[in-house]
Amino acid sequence: DGGITQSPKYLFRKEGQNVTLSCEQNLNHDAMYWYRQDPGQGLRLIYYSQIVNDFQKGDIAEGYSVSREKKESFPLTVTSAQKNPTAFYLCASSIQGQGNNQPQHFGDGTRLSIL
Amino acid sequence: ILNVEQSPQSLHVQEGDSTNFTCSFPSSNFYALHWYRWETAKSPEALFVMTLNGDEKKKGRISATLNTKEGYSYLYIKGSQPEDSATYLCAFRWNTGRRALTFGSGTRLQVQP
Repeated sequence: DGGITQSPKYLFRKEGQNVTLSCEQNLNHDAMYWYRQDPGQGLRLIYYSQIVNDFQKGDIAEGYSVSREKKESFPLTVTSAQKNPTAFYLCASSIQGQGNNQPQHFGDGTRLSIL
Repeated sequence: ILNVEQSPQSLHVQEGDSTNFTCSFPSSNFYALHWYRWETAKSPEALFVMTLNGDEKKKGRISATLNTKEGYSYLYIKGSQPEDSATYLCAFRWNTGRRALTFGSGTRLQVQP
């Protein structure tokens, strides 16, 4: 079945450690996105990519990095510079169709906690 | 960052009640308005993508309207059922700058049987 796979489901990070969250899609979508959700807040955009080898910062990119070397993969690294990384992270993808008003498809998320 | 506001923050209704929530967004530079349903322990699921002023969309008992001139969209649920319990998110895209969505904080609906 086509879809978006995020792994791991739960992740624990030690202070000062970088961790990488995986996002893979087999929907043949061009665009991919990373969001962060904190309690009581909506989804906030971290980074997005509309095409391979290109990505743009979202609203809260500080302390995060991404790469888009393959169409189906958009890993997110939470660096030690991110001082408050505990949150729920969602990955999404969409078709870059005409008018670019296609719905986004989401993964099941990764919950990151600090040890 | 553009503000997308949703109200109410949460809502408790009885099974069979009809309900509606509001999404407010900037009325200038409108491009598209999305609605998503996010059930607990699942991933968000797209309900509607709306692009034209006056748009009305329907999916079963759920419908949505759009007013781009005044900057709001309503989501209606007719005859709420317990399986409608979820957080309903709206997201806005404007026609300048970045090609990405800005989400509201959602309306959490609880339908009591």
